Amino acid sequence: QSVLTQPPSASGTPGQRVTISCSGTSSNIGSNYVFWYQHLPGTAPTLLIYRNNQRPSGVPDRFSGSKSGTSASLAISGLRSEDEADYYCAAWDDSLSGHVFGGGTKLTVL
Amino acid sequence: QVQLQESGPGLVMPSQTLSLTCTVSGDSFSSSSYYWSWIRQPAGKALEWIGRLYNTGTTNYNPSLKSRVTISIDTSMSQFSLRLSSVTAADTAVYYCAREACTGGVCYRSSYYFDYWGQGTLVTVSS
Repeated sequence: QSVLTQPPSASGTPGQRVTISCSGTSSNIGSNYVFWYQHLPGTAPTLLIYRNNQRPSGVPDRFSGSKSGTSASLAISGLRSEDEADYYCAAWDDSLSGHVFGGGTKLTVL
Repeated sequence: QVQLQESGPGLVMPSQTLSLTCTVSGDSFSSSSYYWSWIRQPAGKALEWIGRLYNTGTTNYNPSLKSRVTISIDTSMSQFSLRLSSVTAADTAVYYCAREACTGGVCYRSSYYFDYWGQGTLVTVSS
């Protein structure tokens, strides 16, 4: 059981906007930054969002992050087939003194 | 361009110690700006952070693994290593090494994210 809670799956059609939620507690999301990673099978995960809503260079602006209280969301607009992947949220947990991940959300582009 | 590469045995006997090394290329290894982490993913399951190390030798470990984990550094070789003792089948996973960085403001320990990863190496625990 992961410390951060994500829906196991999400789906959308090309061009649609989808959101993936991530729920935590006051010791992680509630008091620290949230990060989002994209993971394609057989490859290393890549950073999509840092500090709640910042995009690294090279990440399309179709990807956006937000945080409110002890929850966060990743939004993907203009969905493309290449967005089909697993998405993980992550944060530092003050109680555990370590990084924690969500259980991952498998995004399917229909 | 920073690159990380994991190496080590792909098969470990139960109750033995898993040992992996991550070799870092690029000019960041001696910098004081980064942490160096190990992360794993059992098949069909989520990512799990194992622990991290700063180039001073300071470490943070996942509490659920802390009693069995040691992460160490060899700056002369631009390498850092993972040792996980008393392994069981539950430790079978793809193991990743990763660099942690922080940008865009004050860098608290909670501000760091994984910006470069190795490709991952599968370690199977089986007799």
